[in-house]
Amino acid sequence: AQSVSQHNHHVILSEAASLELGCNYSYGGTVNLFWYVQYPGQHLQLLLKYFSGDPLVKGIKGFEAEFIKSKFSFNLRKPSVQWSDTAEYFCAVNNYGQNFVFGPGTRLSVLP
Amino acid sequence: DTAVSQTPKYLVTQMGNDKSIKCEQNLGHDTMYWYKQDSKKFLKIMFSYNNKELIINETVPNRFSPKSPDKAHLNLHINSLELGDSAVYFCASSTRDGSYEQYFGPGTRLTVT
Repeated sequence: AQSVSQHNHHVILSEAASLELGCNYSYGGTVNLFWYVQYPGQHLQLLLKYFSGDPLVKGIKGFEAEFIKSKFSFNLRKPSVQWSDTAEYFCAVNNYGQNFVFGPGTRLSVLP
Repeated sequence: DTAVSQTPKYLVTQMGNDKSIKCEQNLGHDTMYWYKQDSKKFLKIMFSYNNKELIINETVPNRFSPKSPDKAHLNLHINSLELGDSAVYFCASSTRDGSYEQYFGPGTRLTVT
């Protein structure tokens, strides 16, 4: 069965620090990859997605992610975090509409 | 303007009751989903419908029954509610354009007492 793991359960950073959240998936075929963000008390919103093409994907709010197929990884990065980035971040994968799997989430706390 | 809406936002009920959560999307998407998010924020897909047809049905107690009257609506009916059903339930929809990017509703926080 397909699975998604996220390296950190809780990350605490100071404002302006750089961020990298790890995500690995297990599936040998072609996949679509996503990062979603859930701000406190809100619904999930798409940050970015990889569907095909350039493995370096840029999303909203200065986030980017790199798909490394050989490592089955899709790590999320941001060069300088803000207090407003405090949220839960979910990595997710599907393979053409099947096997929708979300990672367990990483809670990011940014200290002002 | 709301893309994916759910009602109610909060639902508090007693064990053994039957309740429904409604979901509507105005994005013109063909596919809709129900997810359950537990207290540890873990998200798990429950069901998926495409054009009113069930296409994903994960291991979920048969007390949970989705109903899709049309492709813009996917309701979730829960019979004989149990304490363990307490969670946030999210509805989502997507296109079938290849990426299956999902748009989520605001969630329904269900508390069973």
